[in-house]
Amino acid sequence: AQTVTQSQPEMSVQEAETVTLSCTYDTSESDYYLFWYKQPPSRQMILVIRQEAYKQQNATENRFSVNFQKAAKSFSLKISDSQLGDAAMYFCALNSGGSNYKLTFGKGTLLTVNP
Amino acid sequence: DTEVTQTPKHLVMGMTNKKSLKCEQHMGHRAMYWYKQKAKKPPELMFVYSYEKLSINESVPSRFSPECPNSSLLNLHLHALQPEDSALYLCASSPNHRTGNYEQYFGPGTRLTVT
Repeated sequence: AQTVTQSQPEMSVQEAETVTLSCTYDTSESDYYLFWYKQPPSRQMILVIRQEAYKQQNATENRFSVNFQKAAKSFSLKISDSQLGDAAMYFCALNSGGSNYKLTFGKGTLLTVNP
Repeated sequence: DTEVTQTPKHLVMGMTNKKSLKCEQHMGHRAMYWYKQKAKKPPELMFVYSYEKLSINESVPSRFSPECPNSSLLNLHLHALQPEDSALYLCASSPNHRTGNYEQYFGPGTRLTVT
């Protein structure tokens, strides 16, 4: 079984500042994939960033970067220079590959960006 | 193009009605998914189609019936729903899982209300 835990139900950040969202996970697989998804109030789930477990280098997509600590099973998301449009629910998700297509989601972190 | 489209955007139906939700993608993806999402909760997987074959049935009630006419289309037929089935229904697709690419791309969802 695989689990994903997001311990911060809500977070807030001032516009232009940096915020880090936490995620821990558990899986018995050695090959797996981790994702952060963003779901604004408009409701569409958008893929923000992806990390393959076999890659030691942390993924980066513009203002979004991750801190992937494989031994600690930690996968945090850092948002730099926060913008009002970053306000959303953020879900951390795990897929352990093979024939298992299932994405296991955390409960989500609601991010508020204050002007 | 990472677009998954869903119709309708909103649907209100009575408990005796029969309706269908539609999903379409033109990214050449060979796996498609239906999710149910309640407010402020992560999506829950309902069905997976891989290469037009149902691969996982998450013991969803038989009042939900999936159909995959071809690799680009996915339908969800609804019949005799209950008020607790009111939710956001999300469709997603992912690239060829046989190559290990598991990221899922979501559509904007159908907001279903059962009266």
